[in-house]
Amino acid sequence: ETGVTQTPRHLVMGMTNKKSLKCEQHLGHNAMYWYKQSAKKPLELMFVYSLEERVENNSVPSRFSPECPNSSHLFLHLHTLQPEDSALYLCASSQESSQQLEAFFGQGTRLTVV
Amino acid sequence: AQSVTQLGSHVSVSEGALVLLRCNYSSSVPPYLFWYVQYPNQGLQLLLKYTSAATLVKGINGFEAEFKKSETSFHLTKPSAHMSDAAEYFCAVTTSGTYKYIFGTGTRLKVLA
Repeated sequence: ETGVTQTPRHLVMGMTNKKSLKCEQHLGHNAMYWYKQSAKKPLELMFVYSLEERVENNSVPSRFSPECPNSSHLFLHLHTLQPEDSALYLCASSQESSQQLEAFFGQGTRLTVV
Repeated sequence: AQSVTQLGSHVSVSEGALVLLRCNYSSSVPPYLFWYVQYPNQGLQLLLKYTSAATLVKGINGFEAEFKKSETSFHLTKPSAHMSDAAEYFCAVTTSGTYKYIFGTGTRLKVLA
C-alpha cells in the first residue's frame, strides 16, 4: 500500500460506545494530523504530531484522545461522543523539508453518532 | 496569523468553459500555498502547490494557479472544464515549521452539460 490509509471508512456508534480510528502512512513522513470536516464548516485541525510528539491540540474535547505510537501510525480514540461529533475525520501526513510541505490526506472515516 | 478566503462557495460553469476559482490569503511571512480537490466521501487530493519558485504553477488535470503577491491571491484556473472536474476545491496556506495548514471554506464546482 502507498499513501495514507484510514480505517474504517465508515463508522456508526452510539453515544456510550468506545471506538478508535486508525491512520497509517507509508510515505516516510515525520508529521501526522487529524482534521474534522463537518458540513458547511471549514476543515478543523484537531491534533498534530511531529516525530511522535503532540505539537498542536486545538481545544478539542477530551472525548477525543489521540495516540501516535510511531511515525507511521496515528489513532483517534473516541468515547461518549455527541451527535454533533458526526463528521468526516481526515488523517494527513507531511514531511517538514524546504520544498515538500504539502500534506497528504487519507480517504477519511465517515463517523455517525446516534 | 494566516488566513485564506475563497470567494464563492458555489461556482457553475458550462462544459468547455473557463474555470476560475478564487483564493486570497493573508500571511505575515512568505507563504506556501496549495489547491486541493475533494470528491464526495473522499479525502483531499493535491492539485498543485506554490513554494516560492515559479509564480505560475501547473498541476494535475490541466489546472494551474498564479501566485500574485501584490494582490495576495492564488486563483485556480483551467481553460476548459470537463464534467469530471465537478468537485469541491480547497485553497490552503502554511509556512515552514508551523505544522499548521489553514484551509479555506471550499468552493463547490458544478459543470453543466
